[in-house]
Amino acid sequence: EAGVAQSPRYKIIEKRQSVAFWCNPISGHATLYWYQQILGQGPKLLIQFQNNGVVDDSQLPKDRFSAERLKGVDSTLKIQPAKLEDSAVYLCASSFDSYNEQFFGPGTRLTVL
Amino acid sequence: AQKITQTQPGMFVQEKEAVTLDCTYDTSDQSYGLFWYKQPSSGEMIFLIYQGSYDEQNATEGRYSLNFQKARKSANLVISASQLGDSAMYFCAMRRYNNAGNMLTFGGGTRLMVKP
Repeated sequence: EAGVAQSPRYKIIEKRQSVAFWCNPISGHATLYWYQQILGQGPKLLIQFQNNGVVDDSQLPKDRFSAERLKGVDSTLKIQPAKLEDSAVYLCASSFDSYNEQFFGPGTRLTVL
Repeated sequence: AQKITQTQPGMFVQEKEAVTLDCTYDTSDQSYGLFWYKQPSSGEMIFLIYQGSYDEQNATEGRYSLNFQKARKSANLVISASQLGDSAMYFCAMRRYNNAGNMLTFGGGTRLMVKP
Protein backbone atom coordinates (compact mmCIF):
# COMPACT_ATOMS: atom_id res chain seq x y z
CA GLU A 1 0.00 0.00 0.00
CA ALA A 2 1.46 3.35 -1.05
CA GLY A 3 1.95 5.90 1.68
CA VAL A 4 1.16 9.60 1.78
CA ALA A 5 2.96 11.42 -1.01
CA GLN A 6 4.10 15.03 -0.87
CA SER A 7 5.88 17.32 -3.30
CA PRO A 8 8.14 19.09 -3.56
CA ARG A 9 10.42 17.75 -0.84
CA TYR A 10 12.36 21.00 -0.61
CA LYS A 11 11.58 24.58 -1.59
CA ILE A 12 13.55 27.78 -1.20
CA ILE A 13 11.86 31.11 -1.88
CA GLU A 14 12.30 34.75 -1.01
CA LYS A 15 9.97 36.56 1.34
CA ARG A 16 6.80 37.94 -0.25
CA GLN A 17 6.85 35.21 -2.90
CA SER A 18 4.15 32.58 -3.22
CA VAL A 19 4.51 28.84 -2.82
CA ALA A 20 2.28 25.78 -3.08
CA PHE A 21 2.61 22.29 -1.66
CA TRP A 22 0.85 19.17 -2.88
CA CYS A 23 -0.33 16.10 -0.95
CA ASN A 24 -1.76 12.79 -2.15
CA PRO A 25 -3.19 10.79 0.75
CA ILE A 26 -3.41 7.04 1.10
CA SER A 27 -6.11 5.66 -1.20
CA GLY A 28 -9.47 5.51 0.52
CA HIS A 29 -8.56 7.88 3.34
CA ALA A 30 -11.32 10.41 3.87
CA THR A 31 -9.52 12.65 6.35
CA LEU A 32 -6.52 14.79 5.44
CA TYR A 33 -4.43 17.00 7.71
CA TRP A 34 -1.80 19.67 7.12
CA TYR A 35 0.71 20.34 9.91
CA GLN A 36 3.43 22.97 10.26
CA GLN A 37 6.60 21.90 12.06
CA ILE A 38 9.02 24.70 12.93
CA LEU A 39 12.58 23.59 13.61
CA GLY A 40 12.94 22.30 17.15
CA GLN A 41 9.21 22.02 17.77
CA GLY A 42 6.49 19.43 17.41
CA PRO A 43 4.04 19.58 14.52
CA LYS A 44 1.10 21.97 14.81
CA LEU A 45 -2.19 21.27 13.03
CA LEU A 46 -3.06 23.90 10.43
CA ILE A 47 -6.15 22.44 8.78
CA GLN A 48 -8.20 19.24 8.72
CA PHE A 49 -10.39 18.08 5.82
CA GLN A 50 -13.11 15.46 5.89
CA ASN A 51 -13.51 14.49 2.21
CA ASN A 52 -13.54 17.90 0.51
CA GLY A 53 -14.91 19.89 3.45
CA VAL A 54 -12.94 21.78 6.10
CA VAL A 55 -13.67 20.59 9.65
CA ASP A 56 -10.98 22.55 11.53
CA ASP A 57 -8.86 25.48 10.36
CA SER A 58 -8.68 27.36 13.64
CA GLN A 59 -4.86 27.55 13.57
CA LEU A 60 -4.49 28.43 9.88
CA PRO A 61 -3.23 32.03 9.31
CA LYS A 62 -5.96 32.80 6.83
CA ASP A 63 -4.52 36.13 5.75
CA ARG A 64 -1.73 34.32 3.92
CA PHE A 65 -2.41 30.59 4.01
CA SER A 66 -5.05 28.74 2.02
CA ALA A 67 -5.77 25.09 1.39
CA GLU A 68 -8.15 23.12 -0.74
CA ARG A 69 -9.15 19.55 -1.42
CA LEU A 70 -11.51 19.95 -4.34
CA LYS A 71 -12.25 16.34 -5.26
CA GLY A 72 -11.82 14.87 -1.81
CA VAL A 73 -8.49 13.26 -2.70
CA ASP A 74 -5.40 15.43 -3.38
CA SER A 75 -4.84 18.64 -1.48
CA THR A 76 -2.79 21.78 -1.97
CA LEU A 77 -1.57 24.22 0.67
CA LYS A 78 -0.61 27.70 -0.49
CA ILE A 79 1.24 30.55 1.17
CA GLN A 80 0.92 34.02 -0.34
CA PRO A 81 2.92 36.09 0.48
CA ALA A 82 5.52 34.12 2.43
CA LYS A 83 7.23 35.52 5.52
CA LEU A 84 10.52 34.53 7.10
CA GLU A 85 8.70 32.86 9.99
CA ASP A 86 6.98 30.47 7.55
CA SER A 87 10.24 28.54 7.23
CA ALA A 88 9.29 25.09 8.45
CA VAL A 89 8.50 21.54 7.40
CA TYR A 90 4.94 21.13 6.17
CA LEU A 91 3.61 17.66 6.89
CA CYS A 92 0.56 16.09 5.34
CA ALA A 93 -1.21 13.20 7.04
CA SER A 94 -4.25 11.11 6.24
CA SER A 95 -6.53 8.70 8.05
CA PHE A 96 -9.33 6.34 7.02
CA ASP A 97 -11.73 8.54 8.89
CA SER A 98 -11.41 11.23 11.51
CA TYR A 99 -11.30 8.71 14.37
CA ASN A 100 -8.50 6.51 13.06
CA GLU A 101 -4.73 6.60 13.18
CA GLN A 102 -2.99 9.28 11.11
CA PHE A 103 -0.29 8.33 8.62
CA PHE A 104 2.25 10.99 7.73
CA GLY A 105 4.01 11.88 4.50
CA PRO A 106 7.72 12.79 4.24
CA GLY A 107 7.04 16.52 4.45
CA THR A 108 8.08 19.57 2.43
CA ARG A 109 10.91 21.63 3.88
CA LEU A 110 10.33 25.32 3.11
CA THR A 111 13.07 27.91 3.52
CA VAL A 112 12.08 31.57 3.19
CA LEU A 113 15.02 33.94 2.65
CA ALA B 1 -6.49 23.20 26.75
CA GLN B 2 -4.36 20.20 25.91
CA LYS B 3 -0.66 20.28 26.63
CA ILE B 4 2.12 17.76 26.12
CA THR B 5 5.47 18.26 27.83
CA GLN B 6 8.69 16.50 26.94
CA THR B 7 11.34 17.76 29.33
CA GLN B 8 14.39 16.08 27.76
CA PRO B 9 15.59 18.02 24.70
CA GLY B 10 18.34 15.46 24.09
CA MET B 11 19.32 12.05 25.38
CA PHE B 12 22.32 9.80 24.87
CA VAL B 13 22.17 6.03 25.28
CA GLN B 14 24.73 3.32 24.76
CA GLU B 15 23.92 0.79 22.06
CA LYS B 16 22.09 -2.28 23.44
CA GLU B 17 21.01 -0.46 26.60
CA ALA B 18 17.46 0.58 27.48
CA VAL B 19 16.31 4.21 27.54
CA THR B 20 13.23 5.99 28.84
CA LEU B 21 11.85 9.11 27.16
CA ASP B 22 9.58 11.19 29.36
CA CYS B 23 6.17 12.59 28.46
CA THR B 24 3.62 14.29 30.69
CA TYR B 25 0.28 15.59 29.58
CA ASP B 26 -2.50 17.80 30.78
CA THR B 27 -6.14 17.26 29.92
CA SER B 28 -9.55 17.37 31.52
CA ASP B 29 -10.96 14.85 29.05
CA GLN B 30 -11.88 11.38 30.26
CA SER B 31 -11.33 9.76 26.87
CA TYR B 32 -8.07 10.37 25.08
CA GLY B 33 -5.20 8.55 23.43
CA LEU B 34 -1.46 8.85 23.69
CA PHE B 35 0.94 8.22 20.83
CA TRP B 36 4.65 8.08 20.31
CA TYR B 37 6.14 8.90 16.91
CA LYS B 38 9.71 8.63 15.65
CA GLN B 39 11.02 11.22 13.22
CA PRO B 40 14.35 10.34 11.57
CA SER B 41 16.35 12.90 9.65
CA SER B 42 14.34 12.06 6.53
CA GLY B 43 11.44 13.92 8.15
CA GLU B 44 8.65 11.36 8.08
CA MET B 45 6.69 10.75 11.28
CA ILE B 46 6.68 7.02 12.02
CA PHE B 47 4.04 5.67 14.41
CA LEU B 48 5.53 3.59 17.22
CA ILE B 49 2.97 2.86 19.90
CA TYR B 50 -0.49 3.84 21.17
CA GLN B 51 -2.16 3.83 24.61
CA GLY B 52 -5.83 4.55 25.17
CA SER B 53 -6.89 6.28 28.35
CA TYR B 54 -9.10 3.33 29.32
CA ASP B 55 -6.50 0.66 28.58
CA GLU B 56 -5.57 -1.03 31.83
CA GLN B 57 -2.39 -2.63 30.59
CA ASN B 58 0.66 -0.80 29.29
CA ALA B 59 1.05 -0.99 25.53
CA THR B 60 3.97 -2.89 24.01
CA GLU B 61 5.19 -3.13 20.41
CA GLY B 62 8.37 -5.12 19.98
CA ARG B 63 11.20 -3.20 21.62
CA TYR B 64 8.88 -0.31 22.51
CA SER B 65 6.73 -0.15 25.61
CA LEU B 66 4.71 2.66 27.07
CA ASN B 67 4.80 3.22 30.82
CA PHE B 68 1.34 4.71 31.37
CA GLN B 69 0.66 6.24 34.78
CA LYS B 70 -2.75 7.82 34.49
CA ALA B 71 -2.89 9.40 37.94
CA ARG B 72 0.43 11.12 37.32
CA LYS B 73 -0.55 11.97 33.72
CA SER B 74 2.60 10.50 32.32
CA ALA B 75 3.19 8.28 29.29
CA ASN B 76 6.88 7.49 29.08
CA LEU B 77 8.35 5.55 26.16
CA VAL B 78 10.80 2.77 26.97
CA ILE B 79 13.06 1.49 24.21
CA SER B 80 14.85 -1.72 25.10
CA ALA B 81 18.12 -2.88 23.53
CA SER B 82 18.82 0.39 21.71
CA GLN B 83 20.12 0.21 18.16
CA LEU B 84 22.06 2.77 16.13
CA GLY B 85 19.01 3.16 13.90
CA ASP B 86 17.01 4.41 16.88
CA SER B 87 18.84 7.74 16.69
CA ALA B 88 16.08 10.22 15.82
CA MET B 89 13.62 12.73 17.22
CA TYR B 90 10.80 11.24 19.29
CA PHE B 91 7.47 12.96 19.77
CA CYS B 92 4.74 12.25 22.26
CA ALA B 93 1.25 13.22 21.11
CA MET B 94 -2.20 13.22 22.62
CA ARG B 95 -5.39 12.60 20.72
CA ARG B 96 -8.57 14.17 21.94
CA TYR B 97 -11.99 13.76 20.45
CA ASN B 98 -14.07 16.72 19.34
CA ASN B 99 -16.81 17.50 16.84
CA ALA B 100 -14.24 17.26 14.05
CA GLY B 101 -13.24 13.73 14.95
CA ASN B 102 -9.86 13.67 16.56
CA MET B 103 -7.02 16.14 16.98
CA LEU B 104 -3.39 15.43 17.72
CA THR B 105 -1.39 17.73 19.97
CA PHE B 106 2.37 17.12 19.94
CA GLY B 107 5.06 17.74 22.51
CA GLY B 108 8.31 19.50 21.68
CA GLY B 109 10.22 16.28 21.10
CA THR B 110 13.34 14.55 22.44
CA ARG B 111 16.39 13.91 20.30
CA LEU B 112 17.79 10.46 21.03
CA MET B 113 21.37 9.68 20.10
CA VAL B 114 22.58 6.10 20.32
CA LYS B 115 26.32 5.69 20.87
CA PRO B 116 28.16 2.67 19.45
